[in-house]
Amino acid sequence: QSVLTQPPSVSGAPGQRVTISCTGSNSNIGSGYDVHWYQQVPGTAPKLLIYVNSNRPSGVPDRFSGSKSGTSASLAITGLQAEDEADYYCQSYDSSLSARVFGGGTKLTVL
Amino acid sequence: QITLKESGPTLVKPTQTLTLTCTFSGFSLSTSRVGVGWIRQPPGKALEWLAVIYWDDDKRYSPSLKSRLTITKDTSKNQVVLTMINMDPVDTATYYCAHRTSGGNAGGWFDPWGQGTLVTVSP
Repeated sequence: QSVLTQPPSVSGAPGQRVTISCTGSNSNIGSGYDVHWYQQVPGTAPKLLIYVNSNRPSGVPDRFSGSKSGTSASLAITGLQAEDEADYYCQSYDSSLSARVFGGGTKLTVL
Repeated sequence: QITLKESGPTLVKPTQTLTLTCTFSGFSLSTSRVGVGWIRQPPGKALEWLAVIYWDDDKRYSPSLKSRLTITKDTSKNQVVLTMINMDPVDTATYYCAHRTSGGNAGGWFDPWGQGTLVTVSP
């Protein structure tokens, strides 16, 4: 059971917009701790997608965006492409655990 | 360009000790605010943070695994070593090391990651 809760799966057709939620609590996201997002294509290592809630590293398309509000964060992907099919993970810090924590991951399927 | 690569045994027996080495290039662990972390992923499951070591030799561990983990660094060799004692089949996973970038208020983020190494725990 992950401290950060993500939907197990989401899907969308090419060109559509999808969002992936990351729900925490008052000991992590709700305390104002930053959220980072990673993309993991099957069989490969995770790759940083969004850092500090809404910042994109160089090379990440602006189709990817992040936001945070209250005890939750969201990753939005617009203009879905087949290459976006992957697992997505959120990460934050939990003060009760004194630990970095990951969400359970969300599998994105491009229909 | 920062790169990291994990190395170690692919198969360990229950109760044995696992020693993994992360060899990196493109940065120095003697540089202020730099860190290297370890994260694992059981087959088909989510990522789990294990430990991180910083340039000043400060170390942080996952509370649930703290009693079993030791992280050390060899700055001259550009290596970080993770030791996990008393291995169990549930510890079967791909183990990743990653460069920790300082910033924000959640201890920073991991970028980039090594390719990972699959460790199987079986008699």
